[in-house]
Amino acid sequence: NAGVTQTPKFQVLKTGQSMTLQCAQDMNHNSMYWYRQDPGMGLRLIYYSASEGTTDKGEVPNGYNVSRLNKREFSLRLESAAPSQTSVYFCASSEATTASGNTIYFGEGSWLTVV
Amino acid sequence: AQSVTQLGSHVSVSEGALVLLRCNYSSSVPPYLFWYVQYPNQGLQLLLKYTTGATLVKGINGFEAEFKKSETSFHLTKPSAHMSDAAEYFCAVSVKRGSYIPTFGRGTSLIVHP
Repeated sequence: NAGVTQTPKFQVLKTGQSMTLQCAQDMNHNSMYWYRQDPGMGLRLIYYSASEGTTDKGEVPNGYNVSRLNKREFSLRLESAAPSQTSVYFCASSEATTASGNTIYFGEGSWLTVV
Repeated sequence: AQSVTQLGSHVSVSEGALVLLRCNYSSSVPPYLFWYVQYPNQGLQLLLKYTTGATLVKGINGFEAEFKKSETSFHLTKPSAHMSDAAEYFCAVSVKRGSYIPTFGRGTSLIVHP
């Protein structure tokens, strides 16, 4: 009953370092998402993948890249980390972005600190 | 574009008191509305959602919300707060605009006092 699994759960990076957040879902969902959560800002969409083979920018894509590796996996990469990217990152999935009443299922989050 | 406003970043209630978390949305087309809950150090989970039909929606843990089109609101209520209800609550709205990706509010932290 895993749902959405993301790794690592905690990470400290130095400014300029790169890293990749991994995400996998076992619900056979078509769509996957990466959000960041900052105090007082709610959740903001970074990138999403409506279906395998497609990716699109969300509200705050700058400084990030994504890869939809297959239907199950969607990774988020920080090429050159900056302190402004200190945040909690959530991977999520849903049946389809085109489904009315599209319910999003979230992972447990990855706490990233850039020093 | 759709948007959602949650009134009050923090709401404090006593155990056993009524819980009321406010959410107003902006949309030029019929919206789908959601409430999610986030317990400490966890991801968000769906509490309830409104798609079509009955405007009073019941969710998990005794929560319910009423869609009021005339007021563009979708407030979340629970008759009697429990300590375990302490969490962050997010309202979200989605509309048909190529896709149904929801837009989230900034969240309301519910504090429950003994």
